[in-house]
Amino acid sequence: RKEVEQDPGPFNVPEGATVAFNCTYSNSASQSFFWYRQDCRKEPKLLMSVYSSGNEDGRFTAQLNRASQYISLLIRDSKLSDSATYLCVVNRGGTGGFKTIFGAGTRLFVKA
Amino acid sequence: DTGVSQDPRHKITKRGQNVTFRCDPISEHNRLYWYRQTLGQGPEFLTYFQNEAQLEKSRLLSDRFSAERPKGSFSTLEIQRTEQGDSAMYLCASRPSLNEKLFFGSGTQLSVL
Repeated sequence: RKEVEQDPGPFNVPEGATVAFNCTYSNSASQSFFWYRQDCRKEPKLLMSVYSSGNEDGRFTAQLNRASQYISLLIRDSKLSDSATYLCVVNRGGTGGFKTIFGAGTRLFVKA
Repeated sequence: DTGVSQDPRHKITKRGQNVTFRCDPISEHNRLYWYRQTLGQGPEFLTYFQNEAQLEKSRLLSDRFSAERPKGSFSTLEIQRTEQGDSAMYLCASRPSLNEKLFFGSGTQLSVL
């Protein structure tokens, strides 16, 4: 079993739709959580951090449930430019510092 | 450009050859990471450095792989006797010691024929 699991998709949604991605992690010692976005043939870039209290950045809302080891990302009013792969990311202690573990990613296609 | 830079962007090699990749992190970042990514998968952790010390190495990394960061600045990743299964994107990332955000380079795409 992978340490960070995501639904690979793809999710095909029309513009304006709301879409939700889920992620689970297996190591209870995980300390911090993120969503990264990766466009085709590009490097991953930080989308947003994820907190237990939930956090919102424009059309994007992220949520963390530590008890169930579950992370979510909600995208409202999808745009064509949201088409990308969304990577669930977990930091946990490694020898001497943070070890950052990536999920396999969920692909999103937003269509006109 | 003060971001993470990787060289070369693309490398095509024949099976059995050795290859070396270079990564120049953001100058004030003392933590440097190497990842490997294949199509349809997320980046897989290979190894990381704090300054010049290699603190952790994935079990995914066979003895054919070696990484160095001799002066705590740039890093190199060498693959000896390449195999077709080594074909992947090799990503380098860095972060400052107290900041959790990773900054990625554009990667080196390796194709082993």
